[in-house]
Amino acid sequence: GAVVSQHPSWVICKSGTSVKIECRSLDFQATTMFWYRQFPKQSLMLMATSNEGSKATYEQGVEKDKFLINHASLTLSTLTVTSAHPEDSSFYICSARDGKGSNEQFFGPGTRLTVL
Amino acid sequence: KQEVTQIPAALSVPEGENLVLNCSFTDSAIYNLQWFRQDPGKGLTSLLLIQSSQREQTSGRLNASLDKSSGRSTLYIAASQPGDSATYLCAVLGSWGKLQFGAGTQVVVTP
Repeated sequence: GAVVSQHPSWVICKSGTSVKIECRSLDFQATTMFWYRQFPKQSLMLMATSNEGSKATYEQGVEKDKFLINHASLTLSTLTVTSAHPEDSSFYICSARDGKGSNEQFFGPGTRLTVL
Repeated sequence: KQEVTQIPAALSVPEGENLVLNCSFTDSAIYNLQWFRQDPGKGLTSLLLIQSSQREQTSGRLNASLDKSSGRSTLYIAASQPGDSATYLCAVLGSWGKLQFGAGTQVVVTP
């Protein structure tokens, strides 16, 4: 149980295009999902917290107009990197927390984004 | 602001030796502490989760301790194997509901 998937697992795009990454909780309902970013040889940095049916809360320094987050259902959150640039190339990981009171987060396998 | 530190940053041991990985955090007001494993280019695999009321958790060759008052956790891996080579991350869940990660310890177990 508690499986989280991400799609795609990797994507290569041209500078200036937008890329959408999906995060799904497969066997539980996730009232809260989190988006992290990881640069090579570095740890995970929280970008934003996504609550179903409401606006995401972004961490300081994260541009909300560049990283659009939608949590339209209890099993799906999407991160759209708009007008991507090479410096947006990174490993993006989502996690999900169920709505049953547990505080454990379950992590997806990550998406490698490369912007040319 | 919570800060999580992992020492050492890298560790290389011969197969069969026990591994000791350290994690420290500055704010003791945590809900839990979690240890993860990450293989190169991959996502996170949860190893052990210790609730703030617990002192330790065990799973197979892995044992993690938590001393909340001193802000420390230690992950022990007994009888290391080459397959244990990976980066190990610790993370604390604070009252703000967010996970704060350490920078990780990169482990290499040589045959």
